[in-house]
Amino acid sequence: RKEVEQDPGPFNVPEGATVAFNCTYSNSASQSFFWYRQDCRKEPKLLMSVYSSGNEDGRFTAQLNRASQYISLLIRDSKLSDSATYLCVVDTGRRALTFGSGTRLQVQP
Amino acid sequence: DGGITQSPKYLFRKEGQNVTLSCEQNLNHDAMYWYRQDPGQGLRLIYYSQIVNDFQKGDIAEGYSVSREKKESFPLTVTSAQKNPTAFYLCASSLGVLTDTQYFGPGTRLTVL
Repeated sequence: RKEVEQDPGPFNVPEGATVAFNCTYSNSASQSFFWYRQDCRKEPKLLMSVYSSGNEDGRFTAQLNRASQYISLLIRDSKLSDSATYLCVVDTGRRALTFGSGTRLQVQP
Repeated sequence: DGGITQSPKYLFRKEGQNVTLSCEQNLNHDAMYWYRQDPGQGLRLIYYSQIVNDFQKGDIAEGYSVSREKKESFPLTVTSAQKNPTAFYLCASSLGVLTDTQYFGPGTRLTVL
């Protein structure tokens, strides 16, 4: 099992749709979780940290399920500008943070 | 303006040549990292450094070398021993411990001709 696993997509959704991504992790002792966004041929940028109680930032909601060892990202009212690759990032207890391979989102007009 | 800079943005090199990628940060971060990203793939850790004059190998250190003589700077050398160096190289930094939020530079796209 990979340390951090994501569905690569692509997820093709119409503008205004709600879309959710999951990311599973293998180390039950992981403590730090993040979602990053990466546009094509650009660097990853922090979207949001994921807290135990779940957290929201505008149209974005992140949740952590420790029992099932996954984190999720929900995007409501999708915009064209949300089209990007979303990277799940987890502290796997080895060295530095471990990045998932990303889930590609394409929002269509 | 605080941030991380990487230069050059694009780099071409001939096979068999060593090349050094620059990474500078003025965020006063202690930890710095180098990643490699291949098309359609995730980030793979090459080297990281928690403090000046100390650095550790990541998952794919073979064919690469680094130095950390100053807190602000963490250059990466891609040596001729690296079998497949064409990739997108990303430098990042974080405030302290290795599980802190990482902030990335704009990256260097290296192509070996």
